[in-house]
Amino acid sequence: ETGVTQSPTHLIKTRGQQVTLRCSSQSGHNTVSWYQQALGQGPQFIFQYYREEENGRGNFPPRFSGLQFPNYSSELNVNALELDDSALYLCASSLGTEEAFFGQGTRLTVV
Amino acid sequence: GEDVEQSLFLSVREGDSSVINCTYTDSSSTYLYWYKQEPGAGLQLLTYIFSNMDMKQDQRLTVLLNKKDKHLSLRIADTQTGDSAIYFCAEFDTGGGNKLTFGTGTQLKVEL
Repeated sequence: ETGVTQSPTHLIKTRGQQVTLRCSSQSGHNTVSWYQQALGQGPQFIFQYYREEENGRGNFPPRFSGLQFPNYSSELNVNALELDDSALYLCASSLGTEEAFFGQGTRLTVV
Repeated sequence: GEDVEQSLFLSVREGDSSVINCTYTDSSSTYLYWYKQEPGAGLQLLTYIFSNMDMKQDQRLTVLLNKKDKHLSLRIADTQTGDSAIYFCAEFDTGGGNKLTFGTGTQLKVEL
């Protein structure tokens, strides 16, 4: 148990729809990062939030957006879903640059 | 850019040692990590090594770092069936956000 919780665990959406994924960080952690893991691949960095501000972004289009709240929980929003967005979305929390602990992930299927 | 490479599969017998290898390209990485992922699950942090260290031992796990060759390895002693999983190495990169760059993962299969 890492103390990082994600919801929902599974989700099925239709192409073109929008989705919001949620992450509660481990107590005391102020940094949340989001990763996309396609089947058979390693996780790819989407973006990171530190104290409610975006603190770096990977090679993902603007339809991937996020928020971090004052309690350091976070949301990942994806607009105009495409079939290739089907993946496991992982949230990781950390205290600044210290080691990151991952949640169990949200499995998103786009049909 | 950063690139982390791993071999895709490793099969060992229960009780043997497993060695999972990884190469990375970013010489400025400060930390290198090993994560374990079981089917349908998230990533479990196993261990990490600071870039100025050559070796770190943690119970059955030994991490070796060859910074000159940018080579990282994870040795699991007395491998058990419960060790069957995918193992990812990752380098910590402070450019463009404090992010982890992962390899493609090595699937470890432990046979009786």
